[in-house]
Amino acid sequence: DSGVTQTPKHLITATGQRVTLRCSPRSGDLSVYWYQQSLDQGLQFLIQYYNGEERAKGNILERFSAQQFPDLHSELNLSSLELGDSALYFCASSAFRGAGDGYTFGSGTRLTVV
Amino acid sequence: AQRVTQPEKLLSVFKGAPVELKCNYSYSGSPELFWYVQYSRQRLQLLLRHISRESIKGFTADLNKGETSFHLKKPFAQEEDSAMYYCALSGWAGKSTFGDGTTLTVKP
Repeated sequence: DSGVTQTPKHLITATGQRVTLRCSPRSGDLSVYWYQQSLDQGLQFLIQYYNGEERAKGNILERFSAQQFPDLHSELNLSSLELGDSALYFCASSAFRGAGDGYTFGSGTRLTVV
Repeated sequence: AQRVTQPEKLLSVFKGAPVELKCNYSYSGSPELFWYVQYSRQRLQLLLRHISRESIKGFTADLNKGETSFHLKKPFAQEEDSAMYYCALSGWAGKSTFGDGTTLTVKP
């Protein structure tokens, strides 16, 4: 599958814990974007990486961090988790710095904090 | 700041009827606009982008800079069009801002 791959698909964890979400972009894409989708807030942009460097930041909490590795996969780290962090986290990729031909989305990681 | 507004959370039409999903945007430069679709339990997929002026699955969208709108239209809705539709604007630094989405239900 040459699309965007996200792991794990589902994650259940307790408050105060830390988790790592992983994303492999579509083959050839250099930009990775992270979005949070919750029931009451729609799709919220968190952060973008382009070719290993942070390019744009959205409403990302200080408890959250991300990075893009030399092989272009990205990880989103969520720490000191709160109940309100429960959401679907999407990763998307694009070929260049901007949206260009549009994003390719992964199937998301559903995080449940209990 | 860039903003996308989809005024209708829910839209319901009968099969064969025309459908229009509204999208208004706010952006000071020249935006790139997109429509994405999310079918039940599936990932978001790009439906169309304004620069290509193409028609996908019978849907079209025209960028109206005067009204700052990018409404999605289809002359004859089909049941398989039932899904969540997101309008998105890509502006500064390539960051895309998404609207809150419109859930379209096409009734038989």
